[in-house]
Amino acid sequence: GESVGLHLPTLSVQEGDNSIINCAYSNSASDYFIWYKQESGKGPQFIIDIRSNMDKRQGQRVTVLLNKTVKHLSLQIAATQPGDSAVYFCAENEETSGSRLTFGEGTQLTVNP
Amino acid sequence: EADIYQTPRYLVIGTGKKITLECSQTMGHDKMYWYQQDPGMELHLIHYSYGVNSTEKGDLSSESTVSRIRTEHFPLTLESARPSHTSQYLCASGSYIETGEQYFGPGTRLTVT
Repeated sequence: GESVGLHLPTLSVQEGDNSIINCAYSNSASDYFIWYKQESGKGPQFIIDIRSNMDKRQGQRVTVLLNKTVKHLSLQIAATQPGDSAVYFCAENEETSGSRLTFGEGTQLTVNP
Repeated sequence: EADIYQTPRYLVIGTGKKITLECSQTMGHDKMYWYQQDPGMELHLIHYSYGVNSTEKGDLSSESTVSRIRTEHFPLTLESARPSHTSQYLCASGSYIETGEQYFGPGTRLTVT
């Protein structure tokens, strides 16, 4: 079936560096994408979203890029901090499927001081 | 900060017991969801609801049931717990106004011995 997945299961960066977390999706009809951050022992927390009519969206220290041609989504975190250490999930939604999100595998981001 | 609550946060219970995991939200959201998640792994949708008296099964086969008698409350019941039910259970809610985004509770970590 359709699925969303991440390229790398783990990512380790130095504090202050920029981080890039990637996501590949296979449902070309997906029209809405979300990045979530999940810290240990907590539920996922919304970071940023993007609709399929956009290719870039910026938030505070985070940027999401969407490449519909190759069905690829990325999350860029600027000046990564130790508090950014967490598992990051991308999720996609196809409007015709209602409000159900399909989650991919997570990427564990570790920020080294 | 999302106002969605789950109780208990941790539960250890013996095989065969009946348990109910509670989920409540104070945001007036019509949409509510239950996910199962093994540590660090992707989320699997087990049940969802689009409003009072509306419940649907998700993608993951589950031996649990849900009810939606009130907008703010979406309990999950396991009639007979088994060791295979050991996992984290996450509840989420969403609004029809904010398309797609889901707000997550802190989760219930269930261990069945």
